[in-house]
Amino acid sequence: DSGVTQTPKHLITATGQRVTLRCSPRSGDLSVYWYQQSLDQGLQFLIQYYNGEERAKGNILERFSAQQFPDLHSELNLSSLELGDSALYFCASSPGDRGTQPQHFGDGTRLSIL
Amino acid sequence: AQKVTQAQTEISVVEKEDVTLDCVYETRDTTYYLFWYKQPPSGELVFLIRRNSFDEQNEISGRYSWNFQKSTSSFNFTITASQVVDSAVYFCALSAYTGGFKTIFGAGTRLFVKA
Repeated sequence: DSGVTQTPKHLITATGQRVTLRCSPRSGDLSVYWYQQSLDQGLQFLIQYYNGEERAKGNILERFSAQQFPDLHSELNLSSLELGDSALYFCASSPGDRGTQPQHFGDGTRLSIL
Repeated sequence: AQKVTQAQTEISVVEKEDVTLDCVYETRDTTYYLFWYKQPPSGELVFLIRRNSFDEQNEISGRYSWNFQKSTSSFNFTITASQVVDSAVYFCALSAYTGGFKTIFGAGTRLFVKA
């Protein structure tokens, strides 16, 4: 058990819809990272928050947004969903503000767009 | 630009064989970090090891060993006497200064260990 909690585990929705994925980091970790894992793109870094502030941005679409709340949990919002957004979305956490430390991953949210 | 290449898409071995997973990275930075993660069939990603660019010392942890060679920009991972439980996808990853220490993952190598 990594200590990182992601909900829900599975999500099935339709094109054009909006969903919110939730992540609670490991106790004591201030950074939260979001990744998308798909068969054709592999594991892609989306965005990082550190103590409530955006710290780094990767290949995140404009239709996607994230935030980290004062209690350090984070949410990833995906809107105007397309079939290609079907993927496994991982959240990870680490103590510090840079990606120099090992990241501890949650079990992921599997998003299926019908 | 930073890049991680895991040229081996899939490897299949028989239990007790040794197997080496290759990882080649690209970065112009002198300060960077390399990682290996394991993703078993259950799906979660598990951290295995971190190495920084200033420490070329090889590491051994039980049946696992890692060979870091800056001269060839490689960070290879060897499993000795493989077991069925080692079956997983293994990812090599790079975090470098220029990239803002964003973590870039290789495509992964799927390891099948047959009994």
